[in-house]
Amino acid sequence: AQTVTQSQPEMSVQEAETVTLSCTYDTSESDYYLFWYKQPPSRQMILVIRQEAYKQQNATENRFSVNFQKAAKSFSLKISDSQLGDAAMYFCAYRRLQGGSEKLVFGKGTKLTVNP
Amino acid sequence: ETGVTQTPRHLVMGMTNKKSLKCEQHLGHNAMYWYKQSAKKPLELMFVYNFKEQTENNSVPSRFSPECPNSSHLFLHLHTLQPEDSALYLCASSRAGREDTQYFGPGTRLTVL
Repeated sequence: AQTVTQSQPEMSVQEAETVTLSCTYDTSESDYYLFWYKQPPSRQMILVIRQEAYKQQNATENRFSVNFQKAAKSFSLKISDSQLGDAAMYFCAYRRLQGGSEKLVFGKGTKLTVNP
Repeated sequence: ETGVTQTPRHLVMGMTNKKSLKCEQHLGHNAMYWYKQSAKKPLELMFVYNFKEQTENNSVPSRFSPECPNSSHLFLHLHTLQPEDSALYLCASSRAGREDTQYFGPGTRLTVL
């Protein structure tokens, strides 16, 4: 079974600095998707960024970028120029495709604190 | 309304009560999902519906009963719950297919007394 591991339960960063959140996963499949979701105190799970496994180029969305290392099964999220609004739980997720339905497997999350 | 909405946002119920959670998506999607989020645990997939048909039941106890009358609405009927069922219940939707991404609602915080 696929598993997703986030080894950092909590992280903190100074406003305007850069922080990297780690994620590793285990799978025997060659084609899949990886996601980072953000869950602020409002509880709404918001998509931050996604990466297709067949693409070698790392995905980027404004201040958010990933370092996707397929061979190492690593998918870290880098947040540049951190802002107070970035404070949230961040979840890494893996998506497999089985029988026509999309199954998301989540890590336990990393709580990010942004200090002013 | 836009995106995925869920009602109620908070629910407190006794173990003998019967209640329902509602989810509605306004994104034109055709797949809908229920997840359970408990403290200190990863999100757990409960049910998946594709085109109104249930395609996944992740060994969920029968005291949770899903219903999907159409592609825009999803319900989770609750009866004789246990205190350990207290959690945040999240609904998500997607366009069902290889390429698409799941979008989540704000969740219902359920407390079982």
